[in-house]
Amino acid sequence: NAGVTQTPKFRILKIGQSMTLQCTQDMNHNYMYWYRQDPGMGLKLIYYSVGAGITDKGEVPNGYNVSRSTTEDFPLRLELAAPSQTSVYFCASSTPRDRGNTIYFGEGSWLTVV
Amino acid sequence: AQTVTQSQPEMSVQEAETVTLSCTYDTSESDYYLFWYKQPPSRQMILVIRQEAYKQQNATENRFSVNFQKAAKSFSLKISDSQLGDAAMYFCAYRGLLTSGSRLTFGEGTQLTVNP
Repeated sequence: NAGVTQTPKFRILKIGQSMTLQCTQDMNHNYMYWYRQDPGMGLKLIYYSVGAGITDKGEVPNGYNVSRSTTEDFPLRLELAAPSQTSVYFCASSTPRDRGNTIYFGEGSWLTVV
Repeated sequence: AQTVTQSQPEMSVQEAETVTLSCTYDTSESDYYLFWYKQPPSRQMILVIRQEAYKQQNATENRFSVNFQKAAKSFSLKISDSQLGDAAMYFCAYRGLLTSGSRLTFGEGTQLTVNP
């Protein structure tokens, strides 16, 4: 059972570079999310998706883009990386059929922008 | 918008003793869930306990229990017989079932230290 898989786990970017964080889940979940966690802080929602082709902004979407072309994949794109985007990024998924149940998290992607 | 507040940035407890972590939330919804997550230094998100808002009975999971006060919008976590492995960051989280995407809203966390 792979669950939610994120790649890469660690990445160092230079200011102004771009990259994509990959997220895939094998549980056929409709809902997927991207969160970021700054040091010593809670998780904040960047973007989320309720199904293929449908995405929406969370609390902190600036500097990011997402797409959802399949149920399984929900990549997060960082354009023109800035030091403020140094964070740990979590992808997560869930299903509306599992009323109120667990949201499944990936292991996180540690990103440093220098 | 829903908000979750954890007023204790840090807490400490002696091994084998009991500690309570506080959480309050704000919502206008009636149908929601509340969660406590544990995050060790690896940053893995580990579900500790969940509470369904429509259930009056407080949830328990072994040494972990909650005090859910719906009217007061309070959701505290009690850890009994604390163990060294309980040391971690703890996050309180809210999930409104009528909110688009049923997304989780997190508090800022409480760093728990367990002293031997």
